[in-house]
Amino acid sequence: QVQLQESGPGLVESSQTLSLTCTVSGDSISSGAFYWAWIRQFPGKGLEWIGYISFTGDTFYNPSLESRAALSIDTSKSQFSLMLSSLTAADTAIYYCAGEESYSDRRLDPWGQGILVTVSS
Amino acid sequence: QSVLTQPPSVSGAPGQRVTISCTGSRSTIGAGYDVHWYQQRPGTAPKLLIYSNNIRPSGVPDRFSGSRSGASASLAISGLQAEDEAFYYCQSYDSNLSASGVFGTGTEVIVL
Repeated sequence: QVQLQESGPGLVESSQTLSLTCTVSGDSISSGAFYWAWIRQFPGKGLEWIGYISFTGDTFYNPSLESRAALSIDTSKSQFSLMLSSLTAADTAIYYCAGEESYSDRRLDPWGQGILVTVSS
Repeated sequence: QSVLTQPPSVSGAPGQRVTISCTGSRSTIGAGYDVHWYQQRPGTAPKLLIYSNNIRPSGVPDRFSGSRSGASASLAISGLQAEDEAFYYCQSYDSNLSASGVFGTGTEVIVL
């Protein structure tokens, strides 16, 4: 059973770049069964899909974030990462990593527990 | 930036049936994309509840059911229980965003 765990800073300064990592356990990150996705949830509880990366390194971004987001993957460490640049207070959110089913329906399952990131001015 | 609209809250007494609507558009649900539903209890990550419009993952009670018609979808909870009190989100995709994932605004289910 695949499990995911986010890690990274909980507080980042405005205009800086956020770097988060998700560690995959319980199955191979290279199985091909999943795209590896990031989603964030704002303080008002709204959810936003950020994008995903495949185990081969192919990426797909939400166009609204494409200019600031970058996804990468390190299969040797069973980790994938999100970098988000030019942060503002509006980027304050809980960031989740998740497995996005790759064969057909793209459902998001499982999810990590999430990490709260606060952008300070 | 949610493009799928849900009612802010629905409520019902234990044992009753409640439904949550998820209204999209021609570029989202109306384009034929699958709809998934997630349950989120306080302080926890969203959990997959229904996928591909009406399929329950293993372990999800059959009290939960989903449907899709046209540009909308709905989630029904029958035999409402206290443990069903949570937020529920629908999710689909948007052809205007190159098939990026999009979420509903979220609905709080209140068990009276």
